Amino acid sequence: NAGVMQNPRHLVRRRGQEARLRCSPMKGHSHVYWYRQLPEEGLKFMVYLQKENIIDESGMPKERFSAEFPKEGPSILRIQQVVRGDSAAYFCASSDTGDSGANVLTFGAGSRLTVL
Amino acid sequence: KQEVTQIPAALSVPEGENLVLNCSFTDSAIYNLQWFRQDPGKGLTSLLLIQSSQREQTSGRLNASLDKSSGRSTLYIAASQPGDSATYLCAVRKGGSQGNLIFGKGTKLSVKP
Repeated sequence: NAGVMQNPRHLVRRRGQEARLRCSPMKGHSHVYWYRQLPEEGLKFMVYLQKENIIDESGMPKERFSAEFPKEGPSILRIQQVVRGDSAAYFCASSDTGDSGANVLTFGAGSRLTVL
Repeated sequence: KQEVTQIPAALSVPEGENLVLNCSFTDSAIYNLQWFRQDPGKGLTSLLLIQSSQREQTSGRLNASLDKSSGRSTLYIAASQPGDSATYLCAVRKGGSQGNLIFGKGTKLSVKP
């Protein structure tokens, strides 16, 4: 069981380019969550997805950011026209259940985006 | 709006000491509270999960307590070791939310040999 796999681990983009971050949940997990950790800040929730559905995107910026979790393949967090303020560590987590008392999120190692 | 605060922001102790990390939250309507460990350049490792109806959880040298009415949790680490050096994060889950954890900024712990 490889755990939650995120790639790339490090990504450098110039302002205006697009960034795509991928997350493969743990085997058997169908719930995926994305969090962002800005420098010197705590992790902030961005979006929660189940297969082919966005359940809660209340933490996602309204523009330039999108997320998907297709029926096949990893979840993708896409940032269009990146700006320097997007530089952060993006963490993905997965779980095998949604809103249950025993729901424990397993986190990946994160993808660190640097915007030049 | 739920806010999670962790004190102290950083802590340095000699090996073998027992220590307490503090977490406070402003809205007591939580579903559960979770303590994580974050190592530099790595992901988060879940240490302990306390449901809102529970008072404490233990795992090895770690003990976490929860006082929901006062909005506080503590993580007690017994007989600290250099390998315990990491950032410890506290996160609460809002009642009825679906995976939306609200994190504190963490306490960076350094255990000196």
